[in-house]
Amino acid sequence: QKEVEQDPGPLSVPEGAIVSLNCTYSNSAFQYFMWYRQYSRKGPELLMYTYSSGNKEDGRFTAQVDKSSKYISLFIRDSQPSDSATYLCAMSATSGGSNYKLTFGKGTLLTVNP
Amino acid sequence: GAVVSQHPSRVICKSGTSVKIECRSLDFQATTMFWYRQFPKQSLMLMATSNEGSKATYEQGVEKDKFLINHASLTLSTLTVTSAHPEDSSFYICSARLTGAPRPDTQYFGPGTRLTVL
Repeated sequence: QKEVEQDPGPLSVPEGAIVSLNCTYSNSAFQYFMWYRQYSRKGPELLMYTYSSGNKEDGRFTAQVDKSSKYISLFIRDSQPSDSATYLCAMSATSGGSNYKLTFGKGTLLTVNP
Repeated sequence: GAVVSQHPSRVICKSGTSVKIECRSLDFQATTMFWYRQFPKQSLMLMATSNEGSKATYEQGVEKDKFLINHASLTLSTLTVTSAHPEDSSFYICSARLTGAPRPDTQYFGPGTRLTVL
């Protein structure tokens, strides 16, 4: 079993739709959870960062973490064509000299159609 | 702020040659830099962690003699793929961690380098 599982999609939605992206994980040591957006042939860009369980909202984006289920989600409200990209979840355990190494999911390719 | 550049953005080389990729933090100092490899439709896989002034730490299964990493200054790390083979063709991405901010979210990623080995 991989440490982080993410459905690669592709996911295609109409403009204005609510998008739900998810990842599951198996390592209970993960405490830091991030979502990155990666446009084609570009490096990842940090969207959301959450520590431990709970919700975090930033504009049209909401990140949820459920540590009891080892499940994290990213919701995008009022999706726009410019949101079309690959979304990667990433996780990290506490330091202890680990340099906060990131473990990524495969990424979900999202297309928002005008 | 927090811009990371990579050079070159794309390189094509013949099998058996060596290729050097540079990663620079343009407007901040980075004691720690990371090198990732991403195959098509696959996740970013950490190859090594590079600390300025010391030897890089390689992940399991990554050949340190094949992927040479040098982190000579607080703003520059280089990855040299030695004796490249077609199976080394991939998208190589670096990230740099803001010095003095040891948190998971303070890694800033470069735009990546597409390596194609013929």
